[in-house]
Amino acid sequence: SQQGEEDPQALSIQEGENATMNCSYKTSINNLQWYRQNSGRGLVHLILIRSNEREKHSGRLRVTLDTSKKSSSLLITASRAADTASYFCATESSGGYQKVTFGTGTKLQVIP
Amino acid sequence: EAQVTQNPRYLITVTGKKLTVTCSQNMNHEYMSWYRQDPGLGLRQIYYSMNVEVTDKGDVPEGYKVSRKEKRNFPLILESPSPNQTSLYFCASSLTGGDTQYFGPGTRLTVL
Repeated sequence: SQQGEEDPQALSIQEGENATMNCSYKTSINNLQWYRQNSGRGLVHLILIRSNEREKHSGRLRVTLDTSKKSSSLLITASRAADTASYFCATESSGGYQKVTFGTGTKLQVIP
Repeated sequence: EAQVTQNPRYLITVTGKKLTVTCSQNMNHEYMSWYRQDPGLGLRQIYYSMNVEVTDKGDVPEGYKVSRKEKRNFPLILESPSPNQTSLYFCASSLTGGDTQYFGPGTRLTVL
């Protein structure tokens, strides 16, 4: 199965609510990143968290990393219609090979 | 303006006709990578390059070739395209594999 798997696969919420997405991975990593993709376009970087960090904030985004459970979560607070997009986690495997693995993504719909 | 460019953006071709998708970045990044995106499968890494003349296979390298003769360019070559290579392709670059990746706009390839 895949290195990075997000759940849920799809999420629909009302504007103003919080959205939480989870990512699980299988191997040891150096860092984990979250990206956003608007329909069919290139991905845009949101936040990076290193393996020795547990939590990171950026504006309305909060990311947690639990290396013992090999999982991460992305929380978007006070969601807006403009947050409607697909969200992907990406891990860089440790070991010096710089191989990057993306998950299958969570499709978020924020209803105005 | 810092950017990753890909050409062409759209391509329809026939089985067996060799093609090249170009990728160029102007950020002096060491790391470049090619991904394909298919519905429900997220982004899968095809090949990556840690520096000039250094390339390595990603998760789905079969049927693809790459070269990295110059730092700024990382072309993707399909020697004999087949219909199962119909996909959306993204090129990305970053300082290293674990850093923020900057994505090109994507190339939508259809192989008939």
